[in-house]
Amino acid sequence: DAMVIQNPRYQVTQFGKPVTLSCSQTLNHNVMYWYQQKSSQAPKLLFHYYDKDFNNEADTPDNFQSRRPNTSFCFLDIRSPGLGDAAMYLCATSRVLAGSYEQYFGPGTRLTVT
Amino acid sequence: AQSVTQPDIHITVSEGASLELRCNYSYGATPYLFWYVQSPGQGLQLLLKYFSGDTLVQGIKGFEAEFKRSQSSFNLRKPSVHWSDAAEYFCAVGSPWAGNNRKLIWGLGTSLGVNP
Repeated sequence: DAMVIQNPRYQVTQFGKPVTLSCSQTLNHNVMYWYQQKSSQAPKLLFHYYDKDFNNEADTPDNFQSRRPNTSFCFLDIRSPGLGDAAMYLCATSRVLAGSYEQYFGPGTRLTVT
Repeated sequence: AQSVTQPDIHITVSEGASLELRCNYSYGATPYLFWYVQSPGQGLQLLLKYFSGDTLVQGIKGFEAEFKRSQSSFNLRKPSVHWSDAAEYFCAVGSPWAGNNRKLIWGLGTSLGVNP
């Protein structure tokens, strides 16, 4: 089945130690999104790629970076995680066509910062 | 300003009872409308969507939603709730001009509890 895959499902990192989260998709969608979701809150968009075009949200901290080496993969890099970065990180994809651009989500990566 | 309001933070219903979750939006034009469900510790799953046409849309898991332009609402309904429906439900809206704006505006979510 076509899907959005996130690895790892659970990640523990130390304060200040760089960490990378990965997302892959078999849907061949042209847009990939990264969200941060804290407990009992709505997802918060960090950035998204439209094909190779990177779109950063104005309030996304510089500590968060992203790479999309090809259509299928997208990475979230947190350069120096702080305790406040502990959250669920969700990857989503969509195929932007006229009349349709619902987003499909992966299962998420739960990040713990110690 | 564009926004989505889900007035109910938490709702508890009995298994077998009917359910309605409310969603109101503020947008310059009729947006695309979505309902997503999130089980604990999981990603979000699309329940249903409205772009145009029939204002009553059917989704997965027996859910439906009705778009009411006059009320700027897109309420989610289910005639008989199952214990497995306990989850967080998010309403979201997006620009009808997808080429210019591919982002969604999210409500804060409604947590649904189901009593046996």
